Amino acid sequence: SQQGEEDPQALSIQEGENATMNCSYKTSINNLQWYRQNSGRGLVHLILIRSNEREKHSGRLRVTLDTSKKSSSLLITASRAADTASYFCATRMASGTYKYIFGTGTRLKVLA
Amino acid sequence: DADVTQTPRNRITKTGKRIMLECSQTKGHDRMYWYRQDPGLGLQLIYYSFDVKDINKGEISDGYSVSRQAQAKFSLSLESAIPNQTALYFCATSWRDTGELFFGEGSRLTVL
Repeated sequence: SQQGEEDPQALSIQEGENATMNCSYKTSINNLQWYRQNSGRGLVHLILIRSNEREKHSGRLRVTLDTSKKSSSLLITASRAADTASYFCATRMASGTYKYIFGTGTRLKVLA
Repeated sequence: DADVTQTPRNRITKTGKRIMLECSQTKGHDRMYWYRQDPGLGLQLIYYSFDVKDINKGEISDGYSVSRQAQAKFSLSLESAIPNQTALYFCATSWRDTGELFFGEGSRLTVL
């Protein structure tokens, strides 16, 4: 079963608007990462947030983590058409094996 | 040249055939992974390897086998392909426990 579930499944916005997508997970984690996938291509790492961090920024990206709610959000500010892609969260569990489990993804479409 | 190279990029085969997907990396990473992506299901972990002598099953290993021929090479085999193994397969690498995964461009497999 998937560890992470993204919400919404699909999102369509106008260029310049902000895009927010959420990820919920089931078990305690060591860290959570966000990846981007352009259609049919390999995934590209965007940002990693550790379980003891609450917020992290990278350029136009802002990630928050709420371990009490087992959830994370990714905010893309001032979106561009080039941000059109699918976005996935991936979690590394806090104990046991050190593998990464991916969510189901959010498909973002930014309209020019 | 890509750091993580997958071959073949596309393959069409028939039910019952043996298929091997190959992955090689020039990043010098110790950890390698095979993921499968189906529409709407995100990425599911098939097998992962933390070094040449350490291979572990992931969430969906049934019907698959792997071989870590060298630190830089990790191959995935389908001994007798079936139609529900039609999917996009990704190889990924990481260094120790640093977190970031580096993906290949994917191998699209169609089983008729």
